[in-house]
Amino acid sequence: NAGVTQTPKFQVLKTGQSMTLQCAQDMNHEYMSWYRQDPGMGLRLIHYSVGAGITDQGEVPNGYNVSRSTTEDFPLRLLSAAPSQTSVYFCASSRYRKYGYTFGSGTRLTVV
Amino acid sequence: TQLLEQSPQFLSIQEGENLTVYCNSSSVFSSLQWYRQEPGEGPVLLVTVVTGGEVKKLKRLTFQFGDARKDSSLHITAAQPGDTGLYLCQVSGEKLTFGTGTRLTIIP
Repeated sequence: NAGVTQTPKFQVLKTGQSMTLQCAQDMNHEYMSWYRQDPGMGLRLIHYSVGAGITDQGEVPNGYNVSRSTTEDFPLRLLSAAPSQTSVYFCASSRYRKYGYTFGSGTRLTVV
Repeated sequence: TQLLEQSPQFLSIQEGENLTVYCNSSSVFSSLQWYRQEPGEGPVLLVTVVTGGEVKKLKRLTFQFGDARKDSSLHITAAQPGDTGLYLCQVSGEKLTFGTGTRLTIIP
């Protein structure tokens, strides 16, 4: 049981480049979320999904897009990378949101 | 957006001591989760509490949900170096919210 798998683990981008962070879960969870974690700021919600075909914005959605074409996958797209997007990104999934999430191991992104 | 305050922000104690960390808000929640995060890893779910006044135990860790469901505490008995990590609380509302965490260091 792999749980939540995120790729890549590390990435360096130049300002203005685009990329997609991949997230896949094999637990048939309906709820999936993307967070960014910055020193002193805690975990902040970027986008979330309550099921295939349904997405919504979180606390800090600007500069990011998501889609949910299948239950398993929830990719996060950076449209035009900026240094302010340097962060550690976590994907998480849950069967019943009220009872907590399973997190991936994160992607450490540096934008130069 | 719900505001969750965790205290203390940092805590460093000797192995064998007891400690308590807190998660507080002015809002009422239907449930609250505690996670532990180690360096380079994602948060790992420790417990979910859903009933006001509920107490749950996980080995040396005791979690309590406030009677009014606005706050929670995590008590660790006889802390060990393996307890070192970032402890995060989370609540489920319209937008899922995390506290900023308590960074705990246990000194051998």
